[in-house]
Amino acid sequence: AQKVTQAQTEISVVEKEDVTLDCVYETRDTTYYLFWYKQPPSGELVFLIRRNSFDEQNEISGRYSWNFQKSTSSFNFTITASQVVDSAVYFCALRSYNTDKLIFGTGTRLQVFP
Amino acid sequence: DAEITQSPRHKITETGRQVTLACHQTWNHNNMFWYRQDLGHGLRLIHYSYGVQDTNKGEVSDGYSVSRSNTEDLPLTLESAASSQTSVYFCASSASGQDYEQYFGPGTRLTVT
Repeated sequence: AQKVTQAQTEISVVEKEDVTLDCVYETRDTTYYLFWYKQPPSGELVFLIRRNSFDEQNEISGRYSWNFQKSTSSFNFTITASQVVDSAVYFCALRSYNTDKLIFGTGTRLQVFP
Repeated sequence: DAEITQSPRHKITETGRQVTLACHQTWNHNNMFWYRQDLGHGLRLIHYSYGVQDTNKGEVSDGYSVSRSNTEDLPLTLESAASSQTSVYFCASSASGQDYEQYFGPGTRLTVT
Protein backbone atom coordinates (compact mmCIF):
# COMPACT_ATOMS: atom_id res chain seq x y z
CA ALA A 1 0.00 0.00 0.00
CA GLN A 2 1.08 3.56 -0.61
CA LYS A 3 1.20 6.09 2.15
CA VAL A 4 2.54 9.55 2.85
CA THR A 5 3.25 10.65 6.41
CA GLN A 6 3.74 14.23 7.50
CA ALA A 7 4.29 13.81 11.21
CA GLN A 8 4.50 17.54 11.95
CA THR A 9 0.96 18.80 12.28
CA GLU A 10 1.92 22.39 12.99
CA ILE A 11 5.17 24.35 13.15
CA SER A 12 5.65 27.89 14.38
CA VAL A 13 8.76 29.93 13.69
CA VAL A 14 9.83 33.52 13.84
CA GLU A 15 10.64 35.33 10.63
CA LYS A 16 14.13 34.67 9.22
CA GLU A 17 14.41 31.29 10.88
CA ASP A 18 15.06 28.25 8.72
CA VAL A 19 12.43 25.52 8.88
CA THR A 20 12.26 21.96 7.54
CA LEU A 21 9.02 20.16 6.78
CA ASP A 22 9.29 16.39 6.89
CA CYS A 23 7.72 13.93 4.47
CA VAL A 24 8.09 10.16 4.67
CA TYR A 25 6.50 7.91 2.08
CA GLU A 26 5.80 4.23 1.59
CA THR A 27 5.58 2.47 -1.75
CA ARG A 28 6.57 -0.85 -3.28
CA ASP A 29 7.07 0.72 -6.68
CA THR A 30 10.55 1.33 -8.01
CA THR A 31 9.34 4.20 -10.17
CA TYR A 32 7.26 6.92 -8.59
CA TYR A 33 6.87 10.67 -8.28
CA LEU A 34 6.85 12.96 -5.27
CA PHE A 35 5.27 16.38 -5.02
CA TRP A 36 4.94 19.33 -2.70
CA TYR A 37 1.95 21.68 -2.77
CA LYS A 38 1.35 24.87 -0.80
CA GLN A 39 -2.07 25.95 0.46
CA PRO A 40 -1.98 29.59 1.64
CA PRO A 41 -4.74 31.05 3.84
CA SER A 42 -6.69 31.98 0.70
CA GLY A 43 -7.28 28.25 0.17
CA GLU A 44 -5.98 27.42 -3.28
CA LEU A 45 -3.44 24.66 -3.84
CA VAL A 46 -0.22 25.76 -5.48
CA PHE A 47 2.15 23.28 -7.07
CA LEU A 48 5.75 23.68 -5.86
CA ILE A 49 7.81 20.77 -7.13
CA ARG A 50 7.72 17.34 -8.75
CA ARG A 51 10.53 14.83 -8.34
CA ASN A 52 10.83 11.37 -9.89
CA SER A 53 12.37 8.43 -8.08
CA PHE A 54 15.40 8.26 -10.36
CA ASP A 55 16.50 11.77 -9.55
CA GLU A 56 17.94 12.09 -6.07
CA GLN A 57 19.61 15.41 -6.66
CA ASN A 58 18.62 18.08 -4.22
CA GLU A 59 16.64 20.93 -5.68
CA ILE A 60 16.97 24.58 -4.77
CA SER A 61 14.65 27.33 -5.87
CA GLY A 62 15.35 30.62 -4.19
CA ARG A 63 14.69 30.17 -0.46
CA TYR A 64 13.16 26.74 -1.02
CA SER A 65 15.12 23.51 -1.15
CA TRP A 66 14.16 19.86 -1.24
CA ASN A 67 16.14 16.87 0.01
CA PHE A 68 15.13 13.55 -1.54
CA GLN A 69 16.63 10.43 0.07
CA LYS A 70 15.45 7.05 -1.18
CA SER A 71 17.41 5.25 1.54
CA THR A 72 15.13 6.75 4.17
CA SER A 73 12.05 7.20 1.93
CA SER A 74 11.99 10.88 2.71
CA PHE A 75 11.40 14.03 0.68
CA ASN A 76 11.92 16.94 3.04
CA PHE A 77 11.30 20.59 2.29
CA THR A 78 13.37 23.40 3.77
CA ILE A 79 12.54 27.09 3.75
CA THR A 80 15.55 29.29 4.42
CA ALA A 81 15.08 32.67 6.08
CA SER A 82 11.33 32.18 6.41
CA GLN A 83 8.93 35.05 5.76
CA VAL A 84 5.40 35.75 6.93
CA VAL A 85 4.17 35.03 3.38
CA ASP A 86 5.40 31.45 3.80
CA SER A 87 2.61 30.85 6.31
CA ALA A 88 0.49 28.10 4.78
CA VAL A 89 -0.37 24.44 4.91
CA TYR A 90 2.12 22.35 2.96
CA PHE A 91 1.22 18.99 1.49
CA CYS A 92 3.51 16.22 0.33
CA ALA A 93 2.09 13.75 -2.21
CA LEU A 94 3.08 10.51 -3.94
CA ARG A 95 2.14 9.07 -7.32
CA SER A 96 3.07 5.72 -8.85
CA TYR A 97 4.47 5.59 -12.35
CA ASN A 98 1.46 3.70 -13.72
CA THR A 99 -1.29 5.94 -12.38
CA ASP A 100 -2.20 9.61 -12.35
CA LYS A 101 -3.69 9.46 -8.85
CA LEU A 102 -2.05 11.37 -6.02
CA ILE A 103 -1.79 10.13 -2.46
CA PHE A 104 -1.55 13.09 -0.09
CA GLY A 105 -0.14 13.42 3.38
CA THR A 106 -2.24 15.15 6.02
CA GLY A 107 -0.31 18.39 5.67
CA THR A 108 1.85 20.56 7.91
CA ARG A 109 0.63 23.98 8.95
CA LEU A 110 3.49 26.47 9.05
CA GLN A 111 3.04 29.74 10.88
CA VAL A 112 5.72 32.37 10.50
CA PHE A 113 5.49 35.19 13.00
CA PRO A 114 7.02 38.63 12.44
CA ASP B 1 -4.47 31.95 -19.87
CA ALA B 2 -5.59 28.40 -19.24
CA GLU B 3 -7.29 27.82 -15.92
CA ILE B 4 -9.50 25.56 -13.88
CA THR B 5 -12.62 26.98 -12.26
CA GLN B 6 -15.15 25.68 -9.78
CA SER B 7 -18.67 26.82 -9.01
CA PRO B 8 -20.21 27.64 -6.72
CA ARG B 9 -17.43 28.69 -4.38
CA HIS B 10 -19.69 28.32 -1.36
CA LYS B 11 -22.86 26.25 -0.99
CA ILE B 12 -25.21 25.55 1.89
CA THR B 13 -27.72 22.78 1.40
CA GLU B 14 -30.01 20.60 3.43
CA THR B 15 -29.65 16.94 4.21
CA GLY B 16 -31.18 14.75 1.52
CA ARG B 17 -30.96 17.25 -1.33
CA GLN B 18 -29.11 16.56 -4.54
CA VAL B 19 -26.18 18.89 -5.12
CA THR B 20 -23.95 19.32 -8.16
CA LEU B 21 -20.56 21.01 -8.04
CA ALA B 22 -19.14 22.21 -11.33
CA CYS B 23 -15.54 21.98 -12.52
CA HIS B 24 -14.35 23.48 -15.80
CA GLN B 25 -10.82 23.50 -17.18
CA THR B 26 -9.40 25.17 -20.25
CA TRP B 27 -6.04 23.34 -20.18
CA ASN B 28 -7.42 20.68 -22.56
CA HIS B 29 -6.24 18.07 -20.06
CA ASN B 30 -7.44 14.50 -20.41
CA ASN B 31 -7.25 13.77 -16.68
CA MET B 32 -9.60 15.31 -14.13
CA PHE B 33 -9.99 14.58 -10.43
CA TRP B 34 -12.23 15.41 -7.50
CA TYR B 35 -10.88 15.53 -3.93
CA ARG B 36 -12.33 16.44 -0.60
CA GLN B 37 -10.28 18.11 2.12
CA ASP B 38 -11.03 17.48 5.77
CA LEU B 39 -9.01 18.38 8.84
CA GLY B 40 -6.71 15.53 9.79
CA HIS B 41 -7.18 13.72 6.50
CA GLY B 42 -5.46 15.91 3.94
CA LEU B 43 -6.97 15.50 0.48
CA ARG B 44 -8.75 12.31 -0.43
CA LEU B 45 -9.68 11.23 -3.93
CA ILE B 46 -13.40 10.90 -4.66
CA HIS B 47 -13.61 10.21 -8.40
CA TYR B 48 -11.41 10.67 -11.42
CA SER B 49 -11.56 10.55 -15.20
CA TYR B 50 -8.95 9.86 -17.83
CA GLY B 51 -11.06 11.11 -20.72
CA VAL B 52 -14.52 11.57 -22.16
CA GLN B 53 -16.96 8.88 -21.06
CA ASP B 54 -14.37 7.49 -18.60
CA THR B 55 -15.00 7.67 -14.84
CA ASN B 56 -13.43 5.81 -11.94
CA LYS B 57 -14.01 5.55 -8.20
CA GLY B 58 -11.47 6.87 -5.78
CA GLU B 59 -10.85 6.28 -2.12
CA VAL B 60 -14.06 7.90 -0.80
CA SER B 61 -16.61 7.58 -3.62
CA ASP B 62 -19.70 6.47 -1.68
CA GLY B 63 -22.51 8.98 -2.07
CA TYR B 64 -20.88 10.76 -5.02
CA SER B 65 -21.06 10.41 -8.79
CA VAL B 66 -19.43 12.06 -11.80
CA SER B 67 -19.94 12.09 -15.54
CA ARG B 68 -17.60 13.21 -18.32
CA SER B 69 -19.38 14.26 -21.49
CA ASN B 70 -16.62 16.53 -22.78
CA THR B 71 -12.96 17.26 -22.12
CA GLU B 72 -13.51 20.50 -20.22
CA ASP B 73 -16.03 19.53 -17.53
CA LEU B 74 -16.32 17.02 -14.71
CA PRO B 75 -19.34 17.80 -12.50
CA LEU B 76 -19.54 16.13 -9.10
CA THR B 77 -23.00 15.14 -7.86
CA LEU B 78 -23.98 14.34 -4.30
CA GLU B 79 -27.05 12.18 -4.78
CA SER B 80 -28.51 12.77 -1.31
CA ALA B 81 -26.40 15.14 0.72
CA ALA B 82 -25.40 14.06 4.22
CA SER B 83 -23.80 16.05 7.04
CA SER B 84 -20.70 13.89 6.69
CA GLN B 85 -20.23 15.42 3.25
CA THR B 86 -19.64 18.87 4.68
CA SER B 87 -16.18 19.60 3.37
CA VAL B 88 -14.06 21.61 0.97
CA TYR B 89 -14.05 20.09 -2.51
CA PHE B 90 -11.21 20.53 -4.97
CA CYS B 91 -11.17 19.74 -8.64
CA ALA B 92 -7.87 19.14 -10.41
CA SER B 93 -6.66 18.36 -13.89
CA SER B 94 -3.47 17.12 -15.48
CA ALA B 95 -2.08 16.10 -18.81
CA SER B 96 -1.65 12.40 -19.47
CA GLY B 97 1.71 10.76 -18.97
CA GLN B 98 4.27 10.62 -16.21
CA ASP B 99 5.98 13.98 -16.14
CA TYR B 100 2.98 16.10 -15.30
CA GLU B 101 1.57 17.60 -12.15
CA GLN B 102 -2.03 18.24 -11.23
CA TYR B 103 -3.39 21.77 -11.23
CA PHE B 104 -6.12 22.58 -8.77
CA GLY B 105 -9.20 24.74 -8.85
CA PRO B 106 -9.96 27.26 -6.09
CA GLY B 107 -12.21 24.88 -4.16
CA THR B 108 -15.88 24.77 -3.17
CA ARG B 109 -16.88 24.94 0.48
CA LEU B 110 -20.01 22.83 0.96
CA THR B 111 -22.03 22.83 4.15
CA VAL B 112 -24.81 20.29 4.63
CA THR B 113 -27.23 21.24 7.41
